[in-house]
Amino acid sequence: AQSVSQHNHHVILSEAASLELGCNYSYGGTVNLFWYVQYPGQHLQLLLKYFSGDPLVKGIKGFEAEFIKSKFSFNLRKPSVQWSDTAEYFCAVSGGGYQKVTFGTGTKLQVIP
Amino acid sequence: EAGVAQSPRYKIIEKRQSVAFWCNPISGHATLYWYQQILGQGPKLLIQFQNNGVVDDSQLPKDRFSAERLKGVDSTLKIQPAKLEDSAVYLCASRRTGDNQPQHFGDGTRLSIL
Repeated sequence: AQSVSQHNHHVILSEAASLELGCNYSYGGTVNLFWYVQYPGQHLQLLLKYFSGDPLVKGIKGFEAEFIKSKFSFNLRKPSVQWSDTAEYFCAVSGGGYQKVTFGTGTKLQVIP
Repeated sequence: EAGVAQSPRYKIIEKRQSVAFWCNPISGHATLYWYQQILGQGPKLLIQFQNNGVVDDSQLPKDRFSAERLKGVDSTLKIQPAKLEDSAVYLCASRRTGDNQPQHFGDGTRLSIL
């Protein structure tokens, strides 16, 4: 069975601070990895995804994530956060023949102006 | 392209009543998912369809929850009877066939049980 762990439940940062959100997964086979963002009152949106190739993935709005296979990690980073990045961030993994998707519990990011 | 459509957006019912949610996926997306997202938690997969067939319903409480996708397009999720712990947002997502395809989510239905 696959599982996802997000270690930070609530993160508070000042604008311009750097961000790193942790994500670890467990799965025995080939995985696809995702970060989704949910802004207040909005639906889940795909931030970035990793399927194969370059383990450093760049997404929208200046976010990036690095897949480290040896550590089963897919941490999300942004060098300088903005107030508009206040949202909840979910890491997800999919694998298997039907690409079942499992989500982490989410990290609430609050950016203070 | 149009996104995943869900209705209603909000629903309030009393415990032991029944409720149904509807989802229309993005055109051409063969895979459809229903998730339950309880406040403070990540989405939990309830059921996954490939066209009109169920490929995973291992976390669906089958004594009270049911879902169908009869024509392989839109889908309904039903709860009968509802319990207080069913209060959550019910999310529908769809995905195009293929390994490198992400899910697209609807706005969800927020269900409150009194």
